[in-house]
Amino acid sequence: GENVEQHPSTLSVQEGDSAVIKCTYSDSASNYFPWYKQELGKGPQLIIDIRSNVGEKKDQRIAVTLNKTAKHFSLHITETQPEDSAVYFCAANKGTNAGKSTFGDGTTLTVKP
Amino acid sequence: SAVISQKPSRDICQRGTSLTIQCQVDSQVTMMFWYRQQPGQSLTLIATANQGSEATYESGFVIDKFPISRPNLTFSTLTVSNMSPEDSSIYLCSGQGAQASNTEAFFGQGTRLTVV
Repeated sequence: GENVEQHPSTLSVQEGDSAVIKCTYSDSASNYFPWYKQELGKGPQLIIDIRSNVGEKKDQRIAVTLNKTAKHFSLHITETQPEDSAVYFCAANKGTNAGKSTFGDGTTLTVKP
Repeated sequence: SAVISQKPSRDICQRGTSLTIQCQVDSQVTMMFWYRQQPGQSLTLIATANQGSEATYESGFVIDKFPISRPNLTFSTLTVSNMSPEDSSIYLCSGQGAQASNTEAFFGQGTRLTVV
């Protein structure tokens, strides 16, 4: 089955700096890659996603890049703010069932004011 | 995106008892899923809740332990049966295929279960 590895497990940055989280996947059939933000006591919230037919997608301060050949994708957060502090999960999905995803282990991001 | 409400948000239960978690979506969704998230860890898929038929379970999860119902396109329940302390976890409901987005998957706030 699919295996998703996520690094780093923890990340601490100063407010205003950029943060990068990287994931690799094993199944070349995966074609949908969502990223979720989970705040304490809440369920994961989708923040951005990318499909295998594009290499990059951006939404304001958040961007995701995908390298299908190397089977890795990354989340980039620019101009970080304290409210960006949360656990971030990457995931990989092979079909139209976007909810049936394999998740990475998560990255705890701390943005220091 | 659609909104999922889960009940209860948390519970403390005695070992050997069962707890049923409810998941209500504010609009019809094609797919519903149940995940388990142990403290500080990632999400593991338990099963796909199929409307009007038996759920599809992932490896390591069985119907006798985690019976699931999905009577319609907006509601599902997960029961954690004959609980032991190892079942202490966060249980999350997920929906996908709402009218606004065919593929975006969204989650409820989770049910934090502690078994004593």
